[in-house]
Amino acid sequence: SQTIHQWPATLVQPVGSPLSLECTVEGTSNPNLYWYRQAAGRGLQLLFYSVGIGQISSEVPQNLSASRPQDRQFILSSKKLLLSDSGFYLCAWSVGRVRGTEAFFGQGTRLTVV
Amino acid sequence: AQSVTQLDSHVSVSEGTPVLLRCNYSSSYSPSLFWYVQHPNKGLQLLLKYTSAATLVKGINGFEAEFKKSETSFHLTKPSAHMSDAAEYFCVVSEGSARQLTFGSGTQLTVLP
Repeated sequence: SQTIHQWPATLVQPVGSPLSLECTVEGTSNPNLYWYRQAAGRGLQLLFYSVGIGQISSEVPQNLSASRPQDRQFILSSKKLLLSDSGFYLCAWSVGRVRGTEAFFGQGTRLTVV
Repeated sequence: AQSVTQLDSHVSVSEGTPVLLRCNYSSSYSPSLFWYVQHPNKGLQLLLKYTSAATLVKGINGFEAEFKKSETSFHLTKPSAHMSDAAEYFCVVSEGSARQLTFGSGTQLTVLP
């Protein structure tokens, strides 16, 4: 069966420090991969998605970047964190090129920028 | 363009009573619809999905939802609430692939003893 791992679970970082969140998927090949952010009391905002290695699409302009160095690995990064980057970050995957398919989510990373 | 509206930001029910979480959608095409549940500081778990098959969809943990095209609704129900159902619930619409998922703003369900 397929599983998705996301780490760390919680992170407290000072303003201006770098960020690296990692997500890996097991049990499937060539998944679509996603990074979402969930701000307190709000819904989910899609930040990035990827349909293949090295292929990244950004949904919103921001202080963050994403990379996909391997088929089942997706990394969210920042060179210098801002206070506004605080939130709950969720990685997700879905079967590629299938209409009506759902996304499967990791357990999330609670990021607090101080 | 697609959109989804969850009509209640908070719902409180007593344990053992029915649950109704309301969701209306807007879509130019035949949409796929989903309900997810999120417990505090956890990821989202799929409860059920509708993809143009039967209009009454049964999900996990006793939840079900009915797709009503004429009302553009996809309300989530459960006959009898359990304390473990307390969580946030998201209604989601998609006109295409998973990268086109649009999430509602969520409904916080509280279950009172």
